[in-house]
Amino acid sequence: AQSVAQPEDQVNVAEGNPLTVKCTYSVSGNPYLFWYVQYPNRGLQFLLKYITGDNLVKGSYGFEAEFNKSQTSFHLKKPSALVSDSALYFCAVRDRYNFNKFYFGSGTKLNVKP
Amino acid sequence: DVKVTQSSRYLVKRTGEKVFLECVQDMDHENMFWYRQDPGLGLRLIYFSYDVKMKEKGDIPEGYSVSREKKERFSLILESASTNQTSMYLCASSRPRTGTETQYFGPGTRLLVL
Repeated sequence: AQSVAQPEDQVNVAEGNPLTVKCTYSVSGNPYLFWYVQYPNRGLQFLLKYITGDNLVKGSYGFEAEFNKSQTSFHLKKPSALVSDSALYFCAVRDRYNFNKFYFGSGTKLNVKP
Repeated sequence: DVKVTQSSRYLVKRTGEKVFLECVQDMDHENMFWYRQDPGLGLRLIYFSYDVKMKEKGDIPEGYSVSREKKERFSLILESASTNQTSMYLCASSRPRTGTETQYFGPGTRLLVL
């Protein structure tokens, strides 16, 4: 079955430290990959996406993500976390050949402590 | 900036009531989506529409219907609300289907069915 996994419900990091939020997927072919962020009481906001080309994708607010085809992963990273990065992060995958299929992970709550 | 608005932020309804959730976008997007968000389950697609009067079922359409009479407006209807439909409902819109398009989300409607 097609799916997206975010293995950590919660990630805790100290401000200034690097952060990683993990995502692995199980979708046939070469899917399109997305990261969204949700701040409290808000809708989701787009962070970045991988379509093709360079495996390292840069997005909003200093975030980046690395596509690894062999490991079917698309981990979100940031070199230096801010307290304001604390939010809920969702990985999403879209089937390249079946646009109707759009899968979201269960979300990872990022807590950045001062 | 794309703006997606939802008619209510919070809604309390009784079991068996008919419930209408309204979503309006102001960017002339062809595609519109309804998701529900539940803790630990991420976002699950209920229905989407890629044109006026067109609709397709998502992963969990049971108990829901939709209406798209105008391009900017996409309504989600709970014909007879049940307690297991208590959830956060998110509307999104995007440009025509290429698979790579970003979705823009509304702020969400938190529905409680008693």
